Amino acid sequence: SAVISQKPSRDICQRGTSLTIQCQVDSQVTMMFWYRQQPGQSLTLIATANQGSEATYESGFVIDKFPISRPNLTFSTLTVSNMSPEDSSIYLCSVERTGSYEQYFGPGTRLTVT
Amino acid sequence: GNSVTQMEGPVTLSEEAFLTINCTYTATGYPSLFWYVQYPGEGLQLLLKATKADDKGSNKGFEATYRKETTSFHLEKGSVQVSDSAVYFCALSATGANSKLTFGKGITLSVRP
Repeated sequence: SAVISQKPSRDICQRGTSLTIQCQVDSQVTMMFWYRQQPGQSLTLIATANQGSEATYESGFVIDKFPISRPNLTFSTLTVSNMSPEDSSIYLCSVERTGSYEQYFGPGTRLTVT
Repeated sequence: GNSVTQMEGPVTLSEEAFLTINCTYTATGYPSLFWYVQYPGEGLQLLLKATKADDKGSNKGFEATYRKETTSFHLEKGSVQVSDSAVYFCALSATGANSKLTFGKGITLSVRP
């Protein structure tokens, strides 16, 4: 398995501000994924981050709102921009151990927007 | 598009009862199938997986068999424990390695002593 850490673990932010979430993995991985889990809901993929290229966003998510960086094979950031209360969610990063078909998730960042 | 449908919850069982959580899927090609578990206050963990038809994934007493003919991947356990209380998510990966996961809605299982 992979050991994944996220910072911050939780935050309370004001409407209109931005928050950057960090994801660190203990080994090099090709792809990293960012998911959102809204209260009481399932997980929805925001984007896939491949090192050295632009992130690929899912329908309903745009780069201006959720810019992603992937500077190396062990690290990625997701920024939630111009936040509104509807952005209150748990944000999770995940990685796939190359060739394993298994994805491992970070502990999540619980974001509350007031 | 791809989708995963889980039975409606929540589910409450007595300890040592038999558990079945239904999961069906819609996907093109030959997806890989997964069950993830989220214990209270913890992150999402991979419970078991199956990557081709008729494969059986198993872990911690849980089992699920990849049934292509019925497009199902039902989770079963013969005797649940209080410590199995958690939220269970069925998921699929449609194109194999390095592919995004599509999740079902999740179901909350509560096991009482």
